[in-house]
Amino acid sequence: DAMVIQNPRYQVTQFGKPVTLSCSQTLNHNVMYWYQQKSSQAPKLLFHYYDKDFNNEADTPDNFQSRRPNTSFCFLDIRSPGLGDAAMYLCATSNWSGWAWDEQFFGPGTRLTVL
Amino acid sequence: SQQGEEDPQALSIQEGENATMNCSYKTSINNLQWYRQNSGRGLVHLILIRSNEREKHSGRLRVTLDTSKKSSSLLITASRAADTASYFCATNDRGSTLGRLYFGRGTQLTVWP
Repeated sequence: DAMVIQNPRYQVTQFGKPVTLSCSQTLNHNVMYWYQQKSSQAPKLLFHYYDKDFNNEADTPDNFQSRRPNTSFCFLDIRSPGLGDAAMYLCATSNWSGWAWDEQFFGPGTRLTVL
Repeated sequence: SQQGEEDPQALSIQEGENATMNCSYKTSINNLQWYRQNSGRGLVHLILIRSNEREKHSGRLRVTLDTSKKSSSLLITASRAADTASYFCATNDRGSTLGRLYFGRGTQLTVWP
């Protein structure tokens, strides 16, 4: 089945130790999104890619970076995680149908714990 | 930043009852989407309703959209314990880039057996 895969599902890191979260998709969608979701809050968009064009949200901290080496893969790098970065990180994809944007398909998320 | 606001924040019902959740938003939209999230999991897309549509159905789900009131509702009929989850509305706003969505805080639905 076509899907969005995130690895790892659970990630534990230490304060200040860089971490990379991975997302891959088999849907061949041209847009990929990274969201941060803290407990009992709405998902918050960090950035998104249209193909290789990167779009950063204005309030996304510089500590967060992203790479999309090809259509299928997208990575979220947190350069120096702080305690406040502990959250669920969700990857999603979407496609332009030719006249409208389709729904977003989400991966299962990576739960990041910062010690 | 947030666009949709769900109401109520929490809803607790018995199996077999209907559950209604509401969403209000502030700007003009291309579409509004409802998602479900089980605890600690990713979001699952339920229904997308476009700005020129008023009602959509999918199984036990019914979504309405009133663009004049900038509001939407999600009705789950004959609820089951397995429907227990958080439900989010999200809007794709006119003028936003690349299908960007704005999510509300969600409604936590608990269905008791």
